[in-house]
Amino acid sequence: EAGVAQSPRYKIIEKRQSVAFWCNPISGHATLYWYQQILGQGPKLLIQFQNNGVVDDSQLPKDRFSAERLKGVDSTLKIQPAKLEDSAVYLCASSFELGMNTEAFFGQGTRLTVV
Amino acid sequence: GQQLNQSPQSMFIQEGEDVSMNCTSSSIFNTWLWYKQDPGEGPVLLIALYKAGELTSNGRLTAQFGITRKDSFLNISASIPSDVGIYFCAGQFYNTDKLIFGTGTRLQVFP
Repeated sequence: EAGVAQSPRYKIIEKRQSVAFWCNPISGHATLYWYQQILGQGPKLLIQFQNNGVVDDSQLPKDRFSAERLKGVDSTLKIQPAKLEDSAVYLCASSFELGMNTEAFFGQGTRLTVV
Repeated sequence: GQQLNQSPQSMFIQEGEDVSMNCTSSSIFNTWLWYKQDPGEGPVLLIALYKAGELTSNGRLTAQFGITRKDSFLNISASIPSDVGIYFCAGQFYNTDKLIFGTGTRLQVFP
């Protein structure tokens, strides 16, 4: 079974530029998460989707971050404009279904460096 | 953002020793998950716990879901060099499946 796919693996941009990350969850997984992991810290939830609807985006900085999952499968996370403090690893995870004792599986992440 | 309290923050042990780490929260969780993260990789699931009081093993790893549903611990027995990495607990809320992570325990194993 293929795992969670993310691209790109690495990205370096200048501050105030825009960037987008892509995630393809495990086939059949309805729930998709985006996390931000700053060096030395645990992952912090940015947004959670159930199919193409948002379950939780309370920690998403909506003035510069946006995410979508239009067809309930792939998802993109965008930052516009980027700030230096956005340098982090962005992790995507997926799980099978809400409320069914489901485990979340992670992709390798995208390491973003803002200079 | 919300994060779980995980301790210890780091551990330096000799190969063959046992390791114990724990995670506490002010919130009640429906599920506890334990992950290991190697440098440059995403977290990999080690153990999942679904019921209060549940004790589950996966090889040399044993984890328990606290009775209060606000805590969990992970034990690693007879540590080996490949156990090196960062271990994270994660609590999952009932209904929404919102998944919150701990602050991590960095494990170093010396031969």
